[in-house]
Amino acid sequence: NAGVTQTPKFQVLKTGQSMTLQCAQDMNHEYMSWYRQDPGMGLRLIHYSVGAGITDQGEVPNGYNVSRSTTEDFPLRLLSAAPSQTSVYFCASSYLDRYSTYEQYFGPGTRLTVT
Amino acid sequence: AQTVTQSQPEMSVQEAETVTLSCTYDTSESNYYLFWYKQPPSRQMILVIRQEAYKQQNATENRFSVNFQKAAKSFSLKISDSQLGDTAMYFCAFYTSGTYKYIFGTGTRLKVLA
Repeated sequence: NAGVTQTPKFQVLKTGQSMTLQCAQDMNHEYMSWYRQDPGMGLRLIHYSVGAGITDQGEVPNGYNVSRSTTEDFPLRLLSAAPSQTSVYFCASSYLDRYSTYEQYFGPGTRLTVT
Repeated sequence: AQTVTQSQPEMSVQEAETVTLSCTYDTSESNYYLFWYKQPPSRQMILVIRQEAYKQQNATENRFSVNFQKAAKSFSLKISDSQLGDTAMYFCAFYTSGTYKYIFGTGTRLKVLA
């Protein structure tokens, strides 16, 4: 199993550009999520999904879109990049049953810089 | 709204000593799950230990144990026999199945000194 994979690992964008961060998991997890990590602020939830076709907003959703057309993939789209979106982005997934204790598995992260 | 607070931004400990990282949370839920994640310089998030709120017994994983005080809403992590490889950022996290949302604290940067 590859676990949770994210691409790219690093990205530099200019203000106003758009891009998609890719996330895939091969564990058949129902739940997938996106976080951003900023110094002194921990991980903040951007969007999450509890299954294919179902997404919802987290704590900081503005400027980001997601879709979940398959169980495996959960891409994060930046529509018009802004310097405030400079951050490290993590994708994570988990089962949605108490026997798994809801442990999340994380991807390696994407460091995004917007100039 | 649920919140998670880690009041120690940075800590250091001598190799082979014991250190305790603090975490408090706020919730009105009665059933939830608590986690400690480790983030070494490689940036990878690694689960250290987990605790289910309905279990009174404190979780342990080798050198890592928790002190879970449900009434006080406290979930501290104790690392025994600290090793240089324990140097990392540590995050406390909270999850309740009613919201589908994980809440993370701001992290404690731990440095183990040789």
